[in-house]
Amino acid sequence: DIVMTQSPDSLAVSLGERATINCKSSQSVLYNSNNKNYLAWYQQKPGQPPKLLIYWASTRESGVPDRFSGSGSGTDFTLTISSLQAEDVAVYYCQQYYDLGSWTFGQGTKVEVK
Amino acid sequence: EVQLVESGGGLVQPGGSLRLSCAASGFTFSSYWMNWVRQAPGKGLEWVANIKQDGSEKKYVDSVKGRFTISRDNAKNSLYLQMNSLRAEDTAVYYCARGVGYRVYYFDYWGQGTLVTVSS
Repeated sequence: DIVMTQSPDSLAVSLGERATINCKSSQSVLYNSNNKNYLAWYQQKPGQPPKLLIYWASTRESGVPDRFSGSGSGTDFTLTISSLQAEDVAVYYCQQYYDLGSWTFGQGTKVEVK
Repeated sequence: EVQLVESGGGLVQPGGSLRLSCAASGFTFSSYWMNWVRQAPGKGLEWVANIKQDGSEKKYVDSVKGRFTISRDNAKNSLYLQMNSLRAEDTAVYYCARGVGYRVYYFDYWGQGTLVTVSS
């Protein structure tokens, strides 16, 4: 199975400041045939189910604010919140779908307001 | 509006069985792979199982193979998870999630989840 490792486990950021979450996969999730990275990001607020934010590593889901952006390729990826808002307090997960028989998530990164 | 509503969770003793259901609405259920994803209390997300549009393909995480069975009824727009030989480590909130892509890539809609507690 592809192991997804996020860093840090938690971070505290002041309102209006940038938050950066990293995700590393144990093997590349870049499909050479179509040059796509098979990686998604989710946001989970307390007591709620996860919500899809980004897929193909950098494509925002419809309705997701543009302060959320995804980048990276191969094994190293980043989710950036350009200007943290109070409603962004949540746990964020990356997920690979390169291995189409075992879909795996990172352990999660908790984002709080400093 | 896409809606996924899980039911069937509860308290069960180790070794017992439980059947979860997920009622889908707001989309053409028979056109999508469907998934179960679980989350142990205070822990992260773990994909459990999924099933192809016509039920002809099913996949499971290793830890539930031989104990859990996923199924669907497209006429009733419903997804199921039969869980047998339950263990304490199966305790979790179980989410029903719609898969995007012809082979399931990511999960674009999730239900609110149903809690399964395995304890004596």
